[in-house]
Amino acid sequence: DGGITQSPKYLFRKEGQNVTLSCEQNLNHDAMYWYRQDPGQGLRLIYYSQIVNDFQKGDIAEGYSVSREKKESFPLTVTSAQKNPTAFYLCASSILAGSLEQYFGPGTRLTVT
Amino acid sequence: GENVEQHPSTLSVQEGDSAVIKCTYSDSASNYFPWYKQELGKGPQLIIDIRSNVGEKKDQRIAVTLNKTAKHFSLHITETQPEDSAVYFCAATYSSASKIIFGSGTRLSIRP
Repeated sequence: DGGITQSPKYLFRKEGQNVTLSCEQNLNHDAMYWYRQDPGQGLRLIYYSQIVNDFQKGDIAEGYSVSREKKESFPLTVTSAQKNPTAFYLCASSILAGSLEQYFGPGTRLTVT
Repeated sequence: GENVEQHPSTLSVQEGDSAVIKCTYSDSASNYFPWYKQELGKGPQLIIDIRSNVGEKKDQRIAVTLNKTAKHFSLHITETQPEDSAVYFCAATYSSASKIIFGSGTRLSIRP
């Protein structure tokens, strides 16, 4: 099956700990994205990567970090500097950088207490 | 930058009736307008999209309309069914843009 996988589906952490969310795609897409979703709000872009070994900050990058060492993988680290980390995190990909159609993974719900 | 406003935030319709969700955008350069459906606990799924060179697009019970002059676009769902219950997001972007701007979402409930 081709698609985007995110793991785990639910993640619990104590405040002050860094946590890394996984995103893998086997669609051979060049571009990958991380979004944050809070209740009653739309999707807000955290980071995006158009090619391997390159990534750019989105609208709410503070407190997050990413890497893109492989085309199929784009992990997101939520650091202790992120003031309100509890949220639903969505990874997406598109065929090319600048391609209009984005395809989403199933999401990871992170709860920090 | 681009801003997308979406209304209403919640919508409840009787099964079999039609539902309409409206969005406005601010950047006249936007030329691609996708709609996503998100079921509870899942990622958004692209259900239909429209580009600025057309005014309307249909796919079975779903249609989108675009008014470039007014910078409005709408999603129309006819003969609604229980499985249409979900959160719907509109979005806007343009060719070569690095990101898509999403509306805040509409929670659609279908009453039996």
